Amino acid sequence: EVQLVESGGDLVQPGRSLRLSCAASGLPFDDYAMHWVRQAPGKGLEWVAGISWNSGDIAYADSLKGRFTISRDNTKNSLYLQMNSLRPEDMGVYYCAKDSRFFNAFDFWGQGTVVTVSS
Amino acid sequence: QSALTQPASVSGSPGQSITISCTGTSSDVGTYNLVSWYQHHPGKAPKLMIYEVSKRPSGVSNRFSGSKSGDTASLTISGLQAEDEADYYCCSYAGSSTYVFGIGTKVTVL
Repeated sequence: EVQLVESGGDLVQPGRSLRLSCAASGLPFDDYAMHWVRQAPGKGLEWVAGISWNSGDIAYADSLKGRFTISRDNTKNSLYLQMNSLRPEDMGVYYCAKDSRFFNAFDFWGQGTVVTVSS
Repeated sequence: QSALTQPASVSGSPGQSITISCTGTSSDVGTYNLVSWYQHHPGKAPKLMIYEVSKRPSGVSNRFSGSKSGDTASLTISGLQAEDEADYYCCSYAGSSTYVFGIGTKVTVL
């Protein structure tokens, strides 16, 4: 059974940093690209970043302006999101999502981890 | 990367059919047949319902169907059931390994 478990969400002050993690199990992790998708309170889903199976192809949403870094460690079956210079508008639930590999879709999601940015 | 446009809400009675539109641009929906749809019950993980405009993953009911014309994709739910009440999001590949989601549509079963 595929499982994606996010962690690392916390209450942080504006301007601070936070690192999210996503632990994958039940799948050959290094076969798949992975993504982070977020949902601000009362808002819709927003694609944040994606990373190919070997980290050779990485992409970000334009709105992040270089503040976030996605990475992965295939030896640990883990995906990461380093978030710097956090802003109140970065608040929300952050989901880890598995790429469908051939169909440019997200075919499995974690339950999410909550990030709160407030002073 | 502007969010795709969806109606804020759509409602229908049990057994009826409803259609949710998803309008993008020639940079995303209009160029790529890589539109997917997700069902999201609040507090739960989103679920893939349609990929590549009109294909259903294994296990998804055939009451869900997708289509696309020009810059607009659509999701149709036929034989509406109480369990279909949820938020629905479209998503399109937008080139250069990026994606854009729609603003979301709340489906209410009357």
